[in-house]
Amino acid sequence: DTAVSQTPKYLVTQMGNDKSIKCEQNLGHDTMYWYKQDSKKFLKIMFSYNNKELIINETVPNRFSPKSPDKAHLNLHINSLELGDSAVYFCASSRRGKQAQFFGPGTRLTVL
Amino acid sequence: GIQVEQSPPDLILQEGANSTLRCNFSDSVNNLQWFHQNPWGQLINLFYIPSGTKQNGRLSATTVATERYSLLYISSSQTTDSGVYFCAVERVKNTDKLIFGTGTRLQVFP
Repeated sequence: DTAVSQTPKYLVTQMGNDKSIKCEQNLGHDTMYWYKQDSKKFLKIMFSYNNKELIINETVPNRFSPKSPDKAHLNLHINSLELGDSAVYFCASSRRGKQAQFFGPGTRLTVL
Repeated sequence: GIQVEQSPPDLILQEGANSTLRCNFSDSVNNLQWFHQNPWGQLINLFYIPSGTKQNGRLSATTVATERYSLLYISSSQTTDSGVYFCAVERVKNTDKLIFGTGTRLQVFP
C-alpha cells in the first residue's frame, strides 16, 4: 500500500547517457512534483504538474523533461547526463491548493 | 525570493531530552510544512501548519504567520527522531511551490 513510489531507487550511469525515473502515487492526488536534493541536502523544486498540465517549471536545463501520462504518474527523463546531475531526485504529490505534500523514497542518481 | 532560515543547524541530544527547532521566513506565506528526513533518506510529512498549533504524539508545531516564524517541539526525544528536519513554505500568490529551509540536523544518542 505504498503511497508514492519511485523507480529505480539507485541509478548509476555514464556521462552523456539518457535515463528516466518513474513515479506513481495511489493517494488520489491531482498534483505531482519533482524535487532535487543536492549533496548538501538542499531541496529544490524542479517541476509541478496538475492533472497532467505543467504548472511549475523552475530554471532547469532543458535536458530535463517531465512527462505526466495521467494524474497518478509523473516521469522524469534526463538527456545527455552531466556530472552535476548527480543528486537524489524526489517525487511528491498533493491535492492542489496549499495541501500537505507526500514524498516518494527518492532516486539516487550517480553520473560517472 | 523568500528566505527560509532554520535554527539551530545542528542539535545533539540525549534520549529523553526536549528540543525546539525554529523556522524563520522573510515574507508572508499561506502554506508551511514540517518534514523529517530520516537517516535512510525518506522524507516524512510531519505537519501542514500555515497557522496555529498542532500536536501529534510527542511532536507539536506552532506557526505565528504574522511574525513569520514556526516552531517544532520534540518532547522525550528518541533515537528514531534522528535525522534532518526541514521547514518548507509557500508564498502567498504562488501555486503549490514549496521553498525549503536548510534544515536542522538532529542526533539523539541513547
